[in-house]
Amino acid sequence: ILNVEQSPQSLHVQEGDSTNFTCSFPSSNFYALHWYRWETAKSPEALFVMTLNGDEKKKGRISATLNTKEGYSYLYIKGSQPEDSATYLCAFNNAGNMLTFGGGTRLMVKP
Amino acid sequence: DAGITQSPRHKVTETGTPVTLRCHQTENHRYMYWYRQDPGHGLRLIHYSYGVKDTDKGEVSDGYSVSRSKTEDFLLTLESATSSQTSVYFCAIDDGASYEQYFGPGTRLTVT
Repeated sequence: ILNVEQSPQSLHVQEGDSTNFTCSFPSSNFYALHWYRWETAKSPEALFVMTLNGDEKKKGRISATLNTKEGYSYLYIKGSQPEDSATYLCAFNNAGNMLTFGGGTRLMVKP
Repeated sequence: DAGITQSPRHKVTETGTPVTLRCHQTENHRYMYWYRQDPGHGLRLIHYSYGVKDTDKGEVSDGYSVSRSKTEDFLLTLESATSSQTSVYFCAIDDGASYEQYFGPGTRLTVT
């Protein structure tokens, strides 16, 4: 069983704040790191897939970085909005098609 | 939206009864997965399939079986449901190229 950890488990921020959270994963046998956004009562929605050390991806106000050598990825949200409230999941792929998910970071943005 | 549906969307059943959940896709993707949602664990893989009649176990497969008799359908069966199997179950698919998985809407199962 692979150990994929996310921190913090939950986070409350004010509208307009920028925030970031961490995903740590095994640094050996790395193939890809995925980020998903998961709103309550909906299904997880893919945000990013990153495969190379140093990768940076951006989608609107959300961006992510990847460090495969030390086994971590950061997800950043700039100027948080109430609609950003969701659980953010990372998933580690060590080759093959199986993903191991972290426990998620639950973000709540207060207006 | 990826063409994935799950049925039923909600089910309440009694301990000891068999339950089958269905995942149906219209994308003709080779890989299909069943996950369960557990607080603090995100999503945990139950079983997956890499082709018709080709399946394998995931992290939490005990008490579950699967079948895939055609590309578009992946069935998850709880032979004798227990209260610990109360959860939300998600099906996912991928094409095997990008390894990006697309999720169905989920099935909320309550075992009383």
